Amino acid sequence: EAGVAQSPRYKIIEKRQSVAFWCNPISGHATLYWYQQILGQGPKLLIQFQNNGVVDDSQLPKDRFSAERLKGVDSTLKIQPAKLEDSAVYLCASSQRYSSLSDTQYFGPGTRLTVL
Amino acid sequence: GQQVMQIPQYQHVQEGEDFTTYCNSSTTLSNIQWYKQRPGGHPVFLIQLVKSGEVKKQKRLTFQFGEAKKNSSLHITATQTTDVGTYFCAGWAGDYKLSFGAGTTVTVRA
Repeated sequence: EAGVAQSPRYKIIEKRQSVAFWCNPISGHATLYWYQQILGQGPKLLIQFQNNGVVDDSQLPKDRFSAERLKGVDSTLKIQPAKLEDSAVYLCASSQRYSSLSDTQYFGPGTRLTVL
Repeated sequence: GQQVMQIPQYQHVQEGEDFTTYCNSSTTLSNIQWYKQRPGGHPVFLIQLVKSGEVKKQKRLTFQFGEAKKNSSLHITATQTTDVGTYFCAGWAGDYKLSFGAGTTVTVRA
């Protein structure tokens, strides 16, 4: 079974530029998550999709971050414009069902963003 | 909002020794999950605990969920170099949003 795919793996941009990340979850997984992991911290949930609908985006900085999951499969996360404090690893994860207590989240390799 | 705290932040262990890392939540949890992240890698699911007082073992790893469902522990016996990494606990608190602790980073002296 293929895992969660993410691209690019690394990205370096200057502040005020825009950037987009792509995620392809495990086939058949209904729920997709985007996390931000700052160095030395645990992952912080940015947004959670069930199929193509948003179920939680309470921690997404909506003035600069946006995400979509068209057709309920792939997802993109965009930052526009980027700030220095956005430097982090952006992790995508997927799970088979929605909000099941027995559900496991499978993480992708992440995209390491550096904002200069 | 819900906060999940882990101690210690760093654990330096002599190979062959045992150690324990602790996870505490500000609210009662529906369940708790543990993940391991190797250096440069991504979090990988280890185990999930659901019941009050539950204890689960995976080879040299023992996971425990507190009676009040507000804390958890991970105990590793006879530490090996393969145990190097950061161990995260993550709790669900009724809102079905997984809140991660900051992790315990483990290094092993051979």
